[in-house]
Amino acid sequence: EAQVTQNPRYLITVTGKKLTVTCSQNMNHEYMSWYRQDPGLGLRQIYYSMNVEVTDKGDVPEGYKVSRKEKRNFPLILESPSPNQTSLYFCASSLFPGGSGTDTQYFGPGTRLTVL
Amino acid sequence: RKEVEQDPGPFNVPEGATVAFNCTYSNSASQSFFWYRQDCRKEPKLLMSVYSSGNEDGRFTAQLNRASQYISLLIRDSKLSDSATYLCVVIDPSGTYKYIFGTGTRLKVLA
Repeated sequence: EAQVTQNPRYLITVTGKKLTVTCSQNMNHEYMSWYRQDPGLGLRQIYYSMNVEVTDKGDVPEGYKVSRKEKRNFPLILESPSPNQTSLYFCASSLFPGGSGTDTQYFGPGTRLTVL
Repeated sequence: RKEVEQDPGPFNVPEGATVAFNCTYSNSASQSFFWYRQDCRKEPKLLMSVYSSGNEDGRFTAQLNRASQYISLLIRDSKLSDSATYLCVVIDPSGTYKYIFGTGTRLKVLA
């Protein structure tokens, strides 16, 4: 089954404790992306990757890191989480970055992060 | 002005009604547009792409108005299962391949 998986699905942590949210896709997609979703602000792109070893900042990259060492994985790293990073996070992938009617972003189920 | 703007709603409509949402975008060079659907606390899923000539998928019709810089989504014969938040998405035309989401329009279809 084609899918994007994220782990963990729920996480409560404390300020300053480094954490990693994993994302993996089994569709051989080139493009992967991380978003955060906050009430009233919608989905905002954190980082995206066009291919292995190619990553770029989205609109809200501060406080986050990513890596793309393999095509299928795109982990999101919070080196020193702060309470303003409490949010719902989604990973997504697509064959190519948008533009084609047949190309869609597939989203993972989301990770609900609370930073105390 | 926000890059992509939507009326947050909620739109409360009876079953069987026709409802339309608009979404405005600020960059006239934008070329790629989509509507996504998001159920409460779930991941967004592509509903349909929006083509220049307009396109239809069953009860759903999407249209693009370049002159006024908006896209629209029309839902005919609303079902209870259409209750969700509808997200407008525009791809940044500057070549960055960034996806820009609207904040969504919430639809509630009432029995």
